[in-house]
Amino acid sequence: GAGVSQSPSNKVTEKGKDVELRCDPISGHTALYWYRQSLGQGLEFLIYFQGNSAPDKSGLPSDRFSAERTGGSVSTLTIQRTQQEDSAVYLCASSLGSTGYYGYTFGSGTRLTVV
Amino acid sequence: RKEVEQDPGPFNVPEGATVAFNCTYSNSASQSFFWYRQDCRKEPKLLMSVYSSGNEDGRFTAQLNRASQYISLLIRDSKLSDSATYLCVVTTNDYKLSFGAGTTVTVRA
Repeated sequence: GAGVSQSPSNKVTEKGKDVELRCDPISGHTALYWYRQSLGQGLEFLIYFQGNSAPDKSGLPSDRFSAERTGGSVSTLTIQRTQQEDSAVYLCASSLGSTGYYGYTFGSGTRLTVV
Repeated sequence: RKEVEQDPGPFNVPEGATVAFNCTYSNSASQSFFWYRQDCRKEPKLLMSVYSSGNEDGRFTAQLNRASQYISLLIRDSKLSDSATYLCVVTTNDYKLSFGAGTTVTVRA
């Protein structure tokens, strides 16, 4: 597609429920990233995909968080048993190749609110 | 110590003024440097890359000082539309970008 597409744009969920966030990167971008941004905070790295593999999962905050990517394209970030501290904007980005040299293109994010 | 640190501001300037701010980074092996712009409740968007020799894009000038490990952004002839949060971004390896918390600029009429 023309840009990075994320869905849903907003999600309100009850504490303890599972949520799934979706990212559709720019066509041809092999690298895909998930970040999250809490209110008034900087972006926090979660996970990086190169193709379908995730060489760096170091930013996932707990084992309740998981992500996968299929077909070198769409990625889903799953949060199990959501907690209030999971409330944030979850941003997906993609880039050409395996280097951040060209910068990233971000999607508009999913605003997750856990109540 | 954070990998990338920025003065949060806010920098409140009148239209037409020049505003400049820096960010510092902790990893001397950092390779690539960027300024991103983020509008309220929007995603970050790449403003410009920062090259060793310094570079200019219209009213925006970016500088890199590797010896002192900082980059700067200067905005000339500020417009109301320049009001945003400016994120300093550094690559510490070949793929992961480290973001500063942002510098808020408000341009007033």
